Amino acid sequence: SQKIEQNSEALNIQEGKTATLTCNYTNYSPAYLQWYRQDPGRGPVFLLLIRENEKEKRKERLKVTFDTTLKQSLFHITASQPADSATYLCALDSNDYKLSFGAGTTVTVRA
Amino acid sequence: GAGVSQTPSNKVTEKGKYVELRCDPISGHTALYWYRQSLGQGPEFLIYFQGTGAADDSGLPNDRFFAVRPEGSVSTLKIQRTERGDSAVYLCASSPLAGHYNEQFFGPGTRLTVL
Repeated sequence: SQKIEQNSEALNIQEGKTATLTCNYTNYSPAYLQWYRQDPGRGPVFLLLIRENEKEKRKERLKVTFDTTLKQSLFHITASQPADSATYLCALDSNDYKLSFGAGTTVTVRA
Repeated sequence: GAGVSQTPSNKVTEKGKYVELRCDPISGHTALYWYRQSLGQGPEFLIYFQGTGAADDSGLPNDRFFAVRPEGSVSTLKIQRTERGDSAVYLCASSPLAGHYNEQFFGPGTRLTVL
């Protein structure tokens, strides 16, 4: 069966450190993978998209890698700040438009 | 500019009742999606509209759930004979076009509680 697994435990890190989140998938052949941020009581907000033929993508303090052989994406937040505290969701396409989401990883950055 | 809006923000109903949840997508977005999110889980796909037609309703759990988008803009998700298990946050999203490489813009969701 198809599965998307993210870090099962919440991540607590010190301000200034790098947070690394994992997204592993089974029985998907995604053309792309997206990462979203979700704050409590709000809808997800798009952060980054990486295509199957891209190894790495960066946006400001965010970096995403995509390894289709390992079936894994890593999401890094460098120089983390308390404002980065949120739940981060990975999503991949199971066809041209339908997104399947992982359960998310909650990140707390301590000042 | 205005984002995706959803009304009501909260809805409490009794088991067996009928509810309607409304979504106003970003103006000009042709693709519209409904998702359901339970506590501690990611959003789960329900239905996708391209324009006025439901292009994929494979995620609707059963025939108590129905959604419309009659003029290709506002959409309504309708749930008949609600059950306690329907309690969740219902999220709507839109995008300019469906397909590869399009981010989805989400609304704040409607929290549905069935007593």
